[in-house]
Amino acid sequence: EDKVVQSPLSLVVHEGDTVTLNCSYEVTNFRSLLWYKQEKKAPTFLFMLTSSGIEKKSGRLSSILDKKELFSILNITATQTGDSAIYLCAVEAGGRTGANSKLTFGKGITLSVRP
Amino acid sequence: GAGVSQSPSNKVTEKGKDVELRCDPISGHTALYWYRQSLGQGLEFLIYFQGNSAPDKSGLPSDRFSAERTGGSVSTLTIQRTQQEDSAVYLCASSPWRVSYNEQFFGPGTRLTVL
Repeated sequence: EDKVVQSPLSLVVHEGDTVTLNCSYEVTNFRSLLWYKQEKKAPTFLFMLTSSGIEKKSGRLSSILDKKELFSILNITATQTGDSAIYLCAVEAGGRTGANSKLTFGKGITLSVRP
Repeated sequence: GAGVSQSPSNKVTEKGKDVELRCDPISGHTALYWYRQSLGQGLEFLIYFQGNSAPDKSGLPSDRFSAERTGGSVSTLTIQRTQQEDSAVYLCASSPWRVSYNEQFFGPGTRLTVL
């Protein structure tokens, strides 16, 4: 059974701090790893990672994948209160290219940024 | 519409009753997914529709759960004889192509409470 584990489960920081969120996985036929930000109800897509060692960056957020050690990290620098959310990691695995692969989600990391 | 919409936003029902949850995907999106998010858990895949192909129902937790998608657009998730453990947020997502998770847009969800 595919498994995605995120840590820590929750985190409280102060504005301006840098945080690192972790995601490890055990899946069959890995295809990609995705990060989402969930505020209120609907998750919004942040990054999709398919290759090891290539950092994806968007503003203060960045993420990298290690396919050998089976994990990814999401970094947020100079955190702001608006970064408070649940950060979900999901791994796409299985199936043939472009068909019938599945997303398995971790439980999420609740980040609280205090002013 | 501009995004994925779901209705109702909240539903409270009594144990044993049937419920129907509706999802309107983004116009033109051929792929539609249903997920469930229980308290403290990650998103759990339920079912996936792609065009006119047979749906992937492998995530449905029991035969009390069913879903259909009429005309390749609106989808309805039906839960029969609801149980308290069915209480969760039910999220729908759509994407323009088959299995394009990085282009997956989520709706606001339906919070189901079974008393």
